[in-house]
Amino acid sequence: DIQMTQSPTSLSASIGDRVTISCRASQTISDNLNWYQQKPGKAPKLLIYAASNLQSGVPSRFSGSGSGTDFTLTISSLQPEDFATYYCQQSDTTPSFGGGTKVEIK
Amino acid sequence: QVQLVQSGAEVKKPGSSVKVSCKASGGAFSTYAFNWVRQAPGLGLEWMGGIIPIFGSAHYVEKFQGRISITADESSSTVYMDLSGLRSDDTAVYYCARDREMAKFKSLEHWGQGTLVTVSS
Repeated sequence: DIQMTQSPTSLSASIGDRVTISCRASQTISDNLNWYQQKPGKAPKLLIYAASNLQSGVPSRFSGSGSGTDFTLTISSLQPEDFATYYCQQSDTTPSFGGGTKVEIK
Repeated sequence: QVQLVQSGAEVKKPGSSVKVSCKASGGAFSTYAFNWVRQAPGLGLEWMGGIIPIFGSAHYVEKFQGRISITADESSSTVYMDLSGLRSDDTAVYYCARDREMAKFKSLEHWGQGTLVTVSS
């Protein structure tokens, strides 16, 4: 099974900050990597698919990069509605999620 | 637009079974992968398994093999997840989610509202 490791597990940031979240796969997964945002009590929302493709309707301040084993989600200018938990998910083999990164207000 | 509506919350005894339904509307049914993902209280997301109705057979994470069954009823556009041998650590919100692309387990675009299953004696 492919293990997905996210870092950090949590971070504090201010409105307008640039935020970067990392995700590492235990083996190469090409670009089969997705990012989700989840707010408390809500279902996750797809942000980025295939490592770098912005899902329809998602603000352009979100971007994804990476290939192979190392991936990054970047929020270019943090907005109030972006405080949430973010998960990566690999779809190269049996799907699996990272442990999540909680983005909190500083 | 695509909507997934799940059945309501359940309270179950240890050792029993639960069956959660997920009714899809607003899009094609048979050619998309439907996934089941669970989230224990305060914890992360866990992919359990999924099915592409047109192909019939389901795929499961090894840890649930023997306890889980995912089926699809094309006549009602409904997917079911049946979990048996319930334990307290099966207490979680269970989500169904439909894939973005046809005929693949790739990215989960559409999600149901979640079903809380509580296992307690």
